[in-house]
Amino acid sequence: NAGVMQNPRHLVRRRGQEARLRCSPMKGHSHVYWYRQLPEEGLKFMVYLQKENIIDESGMPKERFSAEFPKEGPSILRIQQVVRGDSAAYFCASSPDERNEKLFFGSGTQLSVL
Amino acid sequence: AQKVTQAQTEISVVEKEDVTLDCVYETRDTTYYLFWYKQPPSGELVFLIRRNSFDEQNEISGRYSWNFQKSTSSFNFTITASQVVDSAVYFCALSVSGGYQKVTFGTGTKLQVIP
Repeated sequence: NAGVMQNPRHLVRRRGQEARLRCSPMKGHSHVYWYRQLPEEGLKFMVYLQKENIIDESGMPKERFSAEFPKEGPSILRIQQVVRGDSAAYFCASSPDERNEKLFFGSGTQLSVL
Repeated sequence: AQKVTQAQTEISVVEKEDVTLDCVYETRDTTYYLFWYKQPPSGELVFLIRRNSFDEQNEISGRYSWNFQKSTSSFNFTITASQVVDSAVYFCALSVSGGYQKVTFGTGTKLQVIP
């Protein structure tokens, strides 16, 4: 059973470019979460999605950030016009349902903005 | 708002020693869940345990044990007879009732087990 797959593992962007982070949840999981880990900090909730729906995006910056989880294909976290402060590890997690005991995490995408 | 504090940033122990990782939490909710996750060098977080706020029984799983005390708002994690493979960053976390897993994480404790 493949786990949660995130790609790319490392992403380097220059200021002003766009970053697209992909997450394929575990097979059979229709609930996806995105978390961000800044240096020396814990993971911070960004957004919770179910297939084709954004359920809670309260942790996501209002500008430049967007997320989707289409009916087919991976979940995408998109950051437009990246700035140095966006440099962080972005983790995706999935679960089979809303009330599952645990989250299954991917290995993260390390975004570096030059 | 919820808060999780892991005061120990880094701990080093010699193999076979016991080690306790501290976790203190804050919430005004009466129903909540506490978690521990392990982040090995490969990066992905691995679930270790979830406890709900109504279950203060301590739990033991092999060399791992957890001590949940509501009176001190603590949920400490002890590894007995540590091994090199235990080297990782350990996160304590909290979510409140409401369904989905909007989890508040602590800043993590980096454990290094020296052979």
